[in-house]
Amino acid sequence: GAVVSQHPSWVICKSGTSVKIECRSLDFQATTMFWYRQFPKQSLMLMATSNEGSKATYEQGVEKDKFLINHASLTLSTLTVTSAHPEDSSFYICSPTGGTEAFFGQGTRLTVV
Amino acid sequence: AQSVAQPEDQVNVAEGNPLTVKCTYSVSGNPYLFWYVQYPNRGLQFLLKYITGDNLVKGSYGFEAEFNKSQTSFHLKKPSALVSDSALYFCAVREGYSSASKIIFGSGTRLSIRP
Repeated sequence: GAVVSQHPSWVICKSGTSVKIECRSLDFQATTMFWYRQFPKQSLMLMATSNEGSKATYEQGVEKDKFLINHASLTLSTLTVTSAHPEDSSFYICSPTGGTEAFFGQGTRLTVV
Repeated sequence: AQSVAQPEDQVNVAEGNPLTVKCTYSVSGNPYLFWYVQYPNRGLQFLLKYITGDNLVKGSYGFEAEFNKSQTSFHLKKPSALVSDSALYFCAVREGYSSASKIIFGSGTRLSIRP
């Protein structure tokens, strides 16, 4: 299967600061990147979809100014959680796709204190 | 709209016994169905998919799934469970065939295999 690298795997930050999460597809080109959020013991909730070189499309209820997504190349996308608050604490997972099958990063556990 | 239902929050099976994790789907066109497994604090790992062809799909780690169009089901199965199979399993449906098509996940089923 394809190799996806997501960093960091965990991060603790103070309220009000920003956190950047990187997602790289190491051996394939990701024309589309999905970003998901997962609460404990719950399913994955799609936050946004981005295509290389285009603005991301956000799902209803997801604040685009808070969750900044950049998909500058076919192998790299970033999610920046701006002015983080404790309620932003969650598990974030990226999913680059280049075909019929989706691949997933290992996830980032964000804890805002 | 596409949707996926996993009716069981948890499935408990003794090691060595067969296991089934249930999934039903609702789609407007041809279904593109997937099963993923998630271990604690990890991303999702692909197990298997159904796009077209044989109704019985074989995947990773000895898992298989049977596509049943009349019952709109795509249950995950394994003939003999291992303790290491204990994890969270997600059934998913893709809205279309392109890479930009969204994937809709079920609520997940926690599989617990007792020694």
